[in-house]
Amino acid sequence: ETGVTQTPRHLVMGMTNKKSLKCEQHLGHNAMYWYKQSAKKPLELMFVYSLEERVENNSVPSRFSPECPNSSHLFLHLHTLQPEDSALYLCASSHGGQGASNEKLFFGSGTQLSVL
Amino acid sequence: AQKITQTQPGMFVQEKEAVTLDCTYDTSDPSYGLFWYKQPSSGEMIFLIYQGSYDQQNATEGRYSLNFQKARKSANLVISASQLGDSAMYFCAMSPSGGSYIPTFGRGTSLIVHP
Repeated sequence: ETGVTQTPRHLVMGMTNKKSLKCEQHLGHNAMYWYKQSAKKPLELMFVYSLEERVENNSVPSRFSPECPNSSHLFLHLHTLQPEDSALYLCASSHGGQGASNEKLFFGSGTQLSVL
Repeated sequence: AQKITQTQPGMFVQEKEAVTLDCTYDTSDPSYGLFWYKQPSSGEMIFLIYQGSYDQQNATEGRYSLNFQKARKSANLVISASQLGDSAMYFCAMSPSGGSYIPTFGRGTSLIVHP
């Protein structure tokens, strides 16, 4: 199995739909992240969980709702999205978030989201 | 606040040649880490190389090396002997030490390797 697995790989949804993105890591890491990658924009950090507690919430609209039931799983629940939310959503994990500056991230392949 | 600048939106290199991808950064933190990640068309970001701000020597990982110039706040990635599989987006990132270790990413550089 790959280290970080994201499903689905592609998602098309209407503005009134509710859907969820799933991320699972098999690396024994304690920190998990959601990033948004739009065309022509830098990678945007959305949420960070460390030991299942949310430690970062980067002014993300409430139509995005994260959930971290355990250290291996991370979800991003989506509802009433806008077309500008169309992007690649990347999940990542890292060892433990102990404040070390050498904390490298392990990424999944992402979910390409299109909002119609 | 931290900032990462990658000024080259796109780069081209001939197969087997070396290429340098530029990265400059700005931070007030005395201790930090610098990273390069590769993102092929499949989407997954792959860690390539790490340099600590207090490391005396430039980091190397196989064909990748990091040209770290602390006074100039630059951390350029050098890829030697380019291969067709090196064609991808490359992102420079920086993490401070201490409480907020979460990395800041640059906008990326698209590298195309020609046969």
